[in-house]
Amino acid sequence: QKEVEQNSGPLSVPEGAIASLNCTYSDRGSQSFFWYRQYSGKSPELIMSIYSNGDKEDGRFTAQLNKASQYVSLLIRDSQPSDSATYLCAVNERGSTLGRLYFGRGTQLTVWP
Amino acid sequence: DTGVSQNPRHKITKRGQNVTFRCDPISEHNRLYWYRQTLGQGPEFLTYFQNEAQLEKSRLLSDRFSAERPKGSFSTLEIQRTEQGDSAMYLCASSKRLAGGPSTDTQYFGPGTRLTVL
Repeated sequence: QKEVEQNSGPLSVPEGAIASLNCTYSDRGSQSFFWYRQYSGKSPELIMSIYSNGDKEDGRFTAQLNKASQYVSLLIRDSQPSDSATYLCAVNERGSTLGRLYFGRGTQLTVWP
Repeated sequence: DTGVSQNPRHKITKRGQNVTFRCDPISEHNRLYWYRQTLGQGPEFLTYFQNEAQLEKSRLLSDRFSAERPKGSFSTLEIQRTEQGDSAMYLCASSKRLAGGPSTDTQYFGPGTRLTVL
């Protein structure tokens, strides 16, 4: 059974701080890693994708991947109240033809003014 | 709006009734996925199509569930003889997978259909 584990939180940070979200996965052969943001009652919205070890930056968001440790993280700099949401980590399945994603349960983030 | 669309957005039904949901993917996307999400959980994979071919089905997809994508465009998900445990958000996602390309296709989600079975 492939597993994706996230620190369930809730995580609460003040406005302007750095929020750090973590995720570990069990399938060593996974190739693609995604972070989705989900507001309450809404569907997941893609924030970041990362495929290679190291850091990937997009605006205030930085994804970090360490395949050896089977670990992926998301940093949100200068956190804003509008960042308050649940963040879902998703990992694909080993293999080039399979498309399903495995999701963690999500980390609920609250950014307070 | 060129995103993934789903209809209806909400469905309330009585136990034992059949329901059908529709998903229209982003145009040019050849892959279409169905997931189910319950409160406090991440989305769980149900099935996916590449063009009109259903390539994989989860064990979560019991015999009461059937999905089709007849012309490789929109898809329908039908649940027969609904049970209270079927109450969930049903999410559709689509992606564009290039032939022979790596498995890095990014999935974009629709707004979901929230099903309540009374």
